[in-house]
Amino acid sequence: EEQLVESGGGLVQPGRSLKLSCLASGFTFSNFGMNWIRQAPGKGLEWVASISSSSSYIYYADTVKGRFTISRDNARNTLYLQMTSLRSEDTALYYCARQPVARGTAFDSWGQGVMVTVSS
Amino acid sequence: DTVLTQSPALAVSLGQRVTISCRASKSVSTYMHWYQQKSGQQPKLLIYSASNLKSGVPSRFSGSGSGTGFTLTIDPVEADDIANYYCQQTNELPYTFGPGTKLELK
Repeated sequence: EEQLVESGGGLVQPGRSLKLSCLASGFTFSNFGMNWIRQAPGKGLEWVASISSSSSYIYYADTVKGRFTISRDNARNTLYLQMTSLRSEDTALYYCARQPVARGTAFDSWGQGVMVTVSS
Repeated sequence: DTVLTQSPALAVSLGQRVTISCRASKSVSTYMHWYQQKSGQQPKLLIYSASNLKSGVPSRFSGSGSGTGFTLTIDPVEADDIANYYCQQTNELPYTFGPGTKLELK
């Protein structure tokens, strides 16, 4: 069974950096696109970033463009999100999610999420 | 960006049929998907590409629609279905989610 496990969250001061990881298992990681999605406390879901299976295509939400960097290491079955210049509005539960490679596919498997709190 | 609109909440009785709607600000073809999120859990895919039931999801869930109008139907509603339901489009970037519909018991 496929599994995604996020890590690296925590409390960080505004303006500082944090790097999240998502370890994949139970499926061939290199065959899937991957995404980060976040959910602020008590709020809805917001797509953050997307990376194709071979890292050829990378996209970001305007709210994080220039501050966040998505990457992956297929040899280590791991997805990353480097977050810099963090703001209070980045406080959220961050999920990684798998996306089959094809036009318009859904996010068919999600991790349990990791909390990021930006506060002084 | 494609904006998705959902009713904020629906009150239902167990055993009832319920329809949750999602409207897109422009056509997304059938690249619309539905997720269920229970309290304290991650979202789970229910329906993909408007009308396809994900393997393992109970057959009381169904989806329909194309273009700008979509619905998720639960028939009959069971206690385990009390959750938030989100629609999502992957027709174009940025991917967007609806604000969610909270299913509550009457």
